[in-house]
Amino acid sequence: DQQVKQNSPSLSVQEGRISILNCDYTNSMFDYFLWYKKYPAEGPTFLISISSIKDKNEDGRFTVFLNKSAKHLSLHIVPSQPGDSAVYFCAAVDNTNAGKSTFGDGTTLTVKP
Amino acid sequence: GAVVSQHPSWVICKSGTSVKIECRSLDFQATTMFWYRQFPKQSLMLMATSNEGSKATYEQGVEKDKFLINHASLTLSTLTVTSAHPEDSSFYICSAPAARTPFNQPQHFGDGTRLSIL
Repeated sequence: DQQVKQNSPSLSVQEGRISILNCDYTNSMFDYFLWYKKYPAEGPTFLISISSIKDKNEDGRFTVFLNKSAKHLSLHIVPSQPGDSAVYFCAAVDNTNAGKSTFGDGTTLTVKP
Repeated sequence: GAVVSQHPSWVICKSGTSVKIECRSLDFQATTMFWYRQFPKQSLMLMATSNEGSKATYEQGVEKDKFLINHASLTLSTLTVTSAHPEDSSFYICSAPAARTPFNQPQHFGDGTRLSIL
């Protein structure tokens, strides 16, 4: 049973528009969430995170929203840039479980010029 | 920033060969490192938690004797795939939390090792 799901394998948006990437989870013990970005032939790099005590965290063009009741989080990128084209992974952490991360399958974002 | 180096990046070898993958934290000490396996178009699946100076903790379903982990120093963890077979072909990636981060987050990842067993 996959505890973290990214239901959209791919997303294509026009440069300058908003990109919205979604993530759903099932484990109510998750209390910390992260987004990672991955380019081909490289490891994932940390993008932004949010604690379960918050519902929004913003860092420049990137904003993560958390809806605990719906067990849903989303990453908004605005404005989107061609350099944002990458695979985005959602990760969830249960801090009572040695801080292990559970990842979604990733969403491939393509930003067209 | 924190950097994790993983080597080699690509391995092709014959069935039955044992393959060692190294994961180094370059500018910080890592008492804990994580090893993941990723199949195409799928998520990173945690295989084991590598603990400096003690035994690794393996996830359910991961064969300890197949995937040997050694964390002999604060900057180096190794994963050895013993007697590798074609079904072991995959993308293996390590990570480590930067020093003094709460709850081991965020993770800093190596660039991964593509293992192909013929």
